[in-house]
Amino acid sequence: GESVGLHLPTLSVQEGDNSIINCAYSNSASDYFIWYKQESGKGPQFIIDIRSNMDKRQGQRVTVLLNKTVKHLSLQIAATQPGDSAVYFCAERSGYALNFGKGTSLLVTP
Amino acid sequence: DGGITQSPKYLFRKEGQNVTLSCEQNLNHDAMYWYRQDPGQGLRLIYYSQIVNDFQKGDIAEGYSVSREKKESFPLTVTSAQKNPTAFYLCASSSQGADTQYFGPGTRLTVL
Repeated sequence: GESVGLHLPTLSVQEGDNSIINCAYSNSASDYFIWYKQESGKGPQFIIDIRSNMDKRQGQRVTVLLNKTVKHLSLQIAATQPGDSAVYFCAERSGYALNFGKGTSLLVTP
Repeated sequence: DGGITQSPKYLFRKEGQNVTLSCEQNLNHDAMYWYRQDPGQGLRLIYYSQIVNDFQKGDIAEGYSVSREKKESFPLTVTSAQKNPTAFYLCASSSQGADTQYFGPGTRLTVL
């Protein structure tokens, strides 16, 4: 029979295009946000972070945008490559720990 | 995975058994964390420790126990009281006062 499970939102992009992954957070008092990349069977890998006193932060090929008004975070990846295929998680600081979203699966096609 | 090691990579447990997952870090980080990840879901906090000999429950601590006798080590025991222990377990650490957590490679636990 058919198995029932949770399905991650999936974003499919062509190699070389830009990718935008979105995330909504819940706590308006959160002051720190972070993006992780997780490849299958591995631990999450830090990509980029941003504090609430900033709207934008750039890294190598990645940019994070923070809109505190609507509690929205986005990760932009420039010139997406096959190695970027993974699940991407946003997280907000919650006390001493991090509160993670469910993740978005990014699939890069040739 | 930046100086955080977890062992074993795969672990199989019979129902009713306790098992202990190892987490070691050589980053001189004060804080350490344990998360659980189920398929298609985000990470949920089990326990965390800000300093040696002190630890706090996270959101899903029932059926788990930890110890923090050394700064570099934070083992997690999955007890028989945990009704659904099959999952991917991730350990993380961060330096004192810092927000960025760095993760280990994970341990996949399967109950037979």
